[in-house]
Amino acid sequence: QQQVKQSPQSLIVQKGGISIINCAYENTAFDYFPWYQQFPGKGPALLIAIRPDVSEKKEGRFTISFNKSAKQFSLHIMDSQPGDSATYFCAASWGYQKVTFGTGTKLQVIP
Amino acid sequence: GAVVSQHPSRVICKSGTSVKIECRSLDFQATTMFWYRQFPKQSLMLMATSNEGSKATYEQGVEKDKFLINHASLTLSTLTVTSAHPEDSSFYICSARQRGSGGGEDTQYFGPGTRLTVL
Repeated sequence: QQQVKQSPQSLIVQKGGISIINCAYENTAFDYFPWYQQFPGKGPALLIAIRPDVSEKKEGRFTISFNKSAKQFSLHIMDSQPGDSATYFCAASWGYQKVTFGTGTKLQVIP
Repeated sequence: GAVVSQHPSRVICKSGTSVKIECRSLDFQATTMFWYRQFPKQSLMLMATSNEGSKATYEQGVEKDKFLINHASLTLSTLTVTSAHPEDSSFYICSARQRGSGGGEDTQYFGPGTRLTVL
């Protein structure tokens, strides 16, 4: 069962632009929402994470927006760079237990 | 951040053989580790949760006799793919949970993955 839905599947953004990836979840018990960045042939790396008691969290060029009532959250990458080209996964977990991943978004930032 | 290593990074084996993959937390102790499987261009699917000193908890549809997990110490978990077949070819990724200090949050750190190819 797909408990975390992610869109778009792929995304092409001009250098300097804003990349936006959206996710929606079903299980209201989830209380931790991380985003991971994965390069080809590598394991995922934690990028930024948020808890449902916060509506927004910003770290550098990366911002998570969280809408608890809509059960949606999104990742914004400001001033996107070619080095940001990777696959991004949203995820959700409950009580520090197993992480359920979204389907992934392949981001390509073109010069 | 904390470092999780996996060994080997890549393995090719013949059908019917068994393959062991190691997952180590290098600079922290992990009472809980997780094993994932990722097919090309797909998401990570949790296979099992490995707890130090106890039996692993397998996700629905994952054969525990096929994928043997041992979490012998606080820094090492192993996944053994027994009698491997071509359909077991995949990218296997482990993660380790680091306890938050001083009331901070726990964080999961992922290993670099192991590419298994079964001929």
